[in-house]
This record gives sequence, C-alpha cells and structure tokens, in this order.
Amino acid sequence: DAGVTQSPTHLIKTRGQHVTLRCSPISGHKSVSWYQQVLGQGPQFIFQYYEKEERGRGNFPDRFSARQFPNYSSELNVNALLLGDSALYLCASSWDPVTASGYTFGSGTRLTVV
Amino acid sequence: DQQVKQNSPSLSVQEGRISILNCDYTNSMFDYFLWYKKYPAEGPTFLISISSIKDKNEDGRFTVFLNKSAKHLSLHIVPSQPGDSAVYFCAATAGEKTSYDKVIFGPGTSLSVIP
Repeated sequence: DAGVTQSPTHLIKTRGQHVTLRCSPISGHKSVSWYQQVLGQGPQFIFQYYEKEERGRGNFPDRFSARQFPNYSSELNVNALLLGDSALYLCASSWDPVTASGYTFGSGTRLTVV
Repeated sequence: DQQVKQNSPSLSVQEGRISILNCDYTNSMFDYFLWYKKYPAEGPTFLISISSIKDKNEDGRFTVFLNKSAKHLSLHIVPSQPGDSAVYFCAATAGEKTSYDKVIFGPGTSLSVIP
C-alpha cells in the first residue's frame, strides 16, 4: 500500500509568489492535516480536514489556506510568500480525526523562499 | 512559550548502550504523550505513547517513563542500535482522543548511535 505522498519534494520560490503543495492520503484515510516544521523546531499544526470539512486551524495568517477534495487528497496554498515561510511542510493522514497516535506522515515538501 | 521542551538538541550513544531522551512539559492539562521518530527525508513515524494513568509503557527495546509530578517523561532505548539514529520528537495532548490542533510537539532531539 502506498503511504502518504506529497508533491513536490522540493521547491524554491521568490518572496511574494504563491505556492501550492499537494498531499495524497493513505487509501481509506479521510482526515488530512498539514504541519509546518521550521529547522530546529517540532511540527506546528496548520490545518486539519476531515470529510472535506475544515476541522481545525492553527495560528497561521490568512495567507495560508487549504482544501480537501472528494478523493480526500488535499492542497495547501500559501500566498505572498515571506522568507519566514521557508520550512518543511508535512502532511499527515488518518482514518479518524481524533486518535493522536493514528496518523501517518508523508515525507514532506521542502519549501525555500528566496 | 514552549509547552513541550526537549532541552537536549542532540545525543550520541555507543551501540549496545542505553539511550535516554528527555522531555518536559508545562501544561498540567496534558495527559497523553507520544514519541515520534524521524529519519532524514522521511516524515515522523509514531513510536510509542503513554497515558497519565500509567508511569511506564514498554514496546520491545523502547520504554517510556512518565513522572507526572515533575511534568517529565523520558524515552529509553535499550540496547541502542545504529538504525535508531534519527530525530525523536516528544508530543503531548489532553486526552488520547483529541483534535490534532491540540497535539503539541517538542523541538526534537537528534540521536546518533555510534557503531
């Protein structure tokens, strides 16, 4: 079975640009969460979607948005990129939205903003 | 203000010896704790968890100890193997069944097991 897949794996963008990151969950998983991991810190929660509805949003500006599609894949969009948005963006999927040990992470997208 | 702290950014241990990774938390509402392991170029993977009703949980070579009064937990790996070299994240939440925005991760400790 394929795990959580994220694309692209690496990305370089210029300040002010927009970026779209994609995530395909494990088959059967209906919950997708997005995290930002800055070097030297743990993953910080950005969004959670379950059954295509937003279930949670972390302390991130409105430049960050996300959505979940009917096939449960998800996109994270970031507008007006700042240097501080450079990070590893992790997607995690799970069968249910509330079992803390139940989610599986993808390998992440490394975003560099220059 | 960090609610989950891992004060050792890195740790080196000889193969076969014990690795002890520490984690402290400040929020007294936390009652469920998780450890994740992350290899380079991979996402974190769930390793072991413990509920506050226990003070110890074992899974093979991995044991987590919880000291609620000190708000401290530790992960013991015995014996350590070179394949254990990874970054270990401690995470905490209020309740095993909780929304994912409530799971707070520490900054991680990079473990190197030297052959």
